Amino acid sequence: ILNVEQSPQSLHVQEGDSTNFTCSFPSSNFYALHWYRWETAKSPEALFVMTLNGDEKKKGRISATLNTKEGYSYLYIKGSQPEDSATYLCASLGGSQGNLIFGKGTKLSVKP
Amino acid sequence: KAGVTQTPRYLIKTRGQQVTLSCSPISGHRSVSWYQQTPGQGLQFLFEYFSETQRNKGNFPGRFSGRQFSNSRSEMNVSTLELGDSALYLCASSFWGTGDTGELFFGEGSRLTVL
Repeated sequence: ILNVEQSPQSLHVQEGDSTNFTCSFPSSNFYALHWYRWETAKSPEALFVMTLNGDEKKKGRISATLNTKEGYSYLYIKGSQPEDSATYLCASLGGSQGNLIFGKGTKLSVKP
Repeated sequence: KAGVTQTPRYLIKTRGQQVTLSCSPISGHRSVSWYQQTPGQGLQFLFEYFSETQRNKGNFPGRFSGRQFSNSRSEMNVSTLELGDSALYLCASSFWGTGDTGELFFGEGSRLTVL
């Protein structure tokens, strides 16, 4: 059974804090790792799709790294802002499956 | 470019009834995948349709079914509703499908409440 685990489940930070979350996935037959941001009452939006070991991607204050050999990815937010408050989902695609397996998400709340 | 549109956004049904949800993908996208989210759970994959063919199916009972039309619009149907079917149902579209490395584009979901 393929499990994708995310930690922490929730996180409360102050505006300006930097933060990071973890996504763990089975490293065998790895194909791709997706990160999505899901704001309340909106639809999930893609942040990154990563495929290569050691890959690092950046979008504004948000960046992500990927370690396919040990099966984890980190998402970093530098200088959190209230508008960063959302649930961050990661999803893994393995070579033996045709669909993404999602983690339960990390819910981030940024206080002004 | 119009996004993914799901209808209806909210609906209430009673046990034993059936429900049909609709998803219109981004123009040009051939893949539509469906997911169920219940409290405390991650998005659970239901099925994927690509060019009118079911390409992949998750671990859900046969009461959950779907189809895709020639214009790539997709519907999912749940028959004989149970209380546990209360959930947010999301659809997502992409050009190459969920087995590729392209990102998914999600709709806002249909929230089903079964009484």
